[in-house]
Amino acid sequence: QTVVTQEPSLSVSPGGTVTLTCGLSSGSVSTSYYPSWYQQTPGQAPRTLIYSTNTRSSGVPDRFSGSILGNKAALTITGAQADDESDYYCVLYMGGGIWVFGGGTKLTVL
Amino acid sequence: EVQLVESGGGLVQPGGSLRLSCAASGFTFSSYWMTWVRQAPGKGLEWVANIKEEGSEKYYVDSVKGRLTISRDNAKNSLYLQMNSLRAEDTAVYYCARTYYGDYHWGQGTLVTVSS
Repeated sequence: QTVVTQEPSLSVSPGGTVTLTCGLSSGSVSTSYYPSWYQQTPGQAPRTLIYSTNTRSSGVPDRFSGSILGNKAALTITGAQADDESDYYCVLYMGGGIWVFGGGTKLTVL
Repeated sequence: EVQLVESGGGLVQPGGSLRLSCAASGFTFSSYWMTWVRQAPGKGLEWVANIKEEGSEKYYVDSVKGRLTISRDNAKNSLYLQMNSLRAEDTAVYYCARTYYGDYHWGQGTLVTVSS
């Protein structure tokens, strides 16, 4: 069974840039997996940031961007702000109607 | 404004049943795939099931096949999740989401607790 991998935790300084990645335990992520990214703060519902690799969801600032880096999908946050401190999840389309979430990355801004 | 409101969660004994509902408004419900995603306490998100616009296609994560059933009523702008043979590991907040290629518009979720 293929597992979707994410860094368990990352940190970034205020104003800095950080890249979160989303990979596969076996194989490479491509645009065919429609990688998408979500932000969640404790006690709140998730919020969609990026879908289909690099399309920003409505209302998402352009300091959030998505891409494919090497064999992984990536979410880059530029000019990090204190309220970017959240959990971030990616999801990949595995085919046959099935999607799988990664385990999430806890981002600390300090 | 797009709104998704889940209901029907609560405490249920192992082996019991529950039916979750999701009332949709602010968009043409029949034009979108819909998805259920769950999150166990302190854990990450888990994709559970989705259903095509007219209900002709449904897909499930392996761990719920044969126990959970997704359905929709486009005339009532409503999504459902019938949950049977519930287990402790089904304890989670269940979110419904309007779905477009990974662009999820999320509800606020409803908590299901499976415990004796």
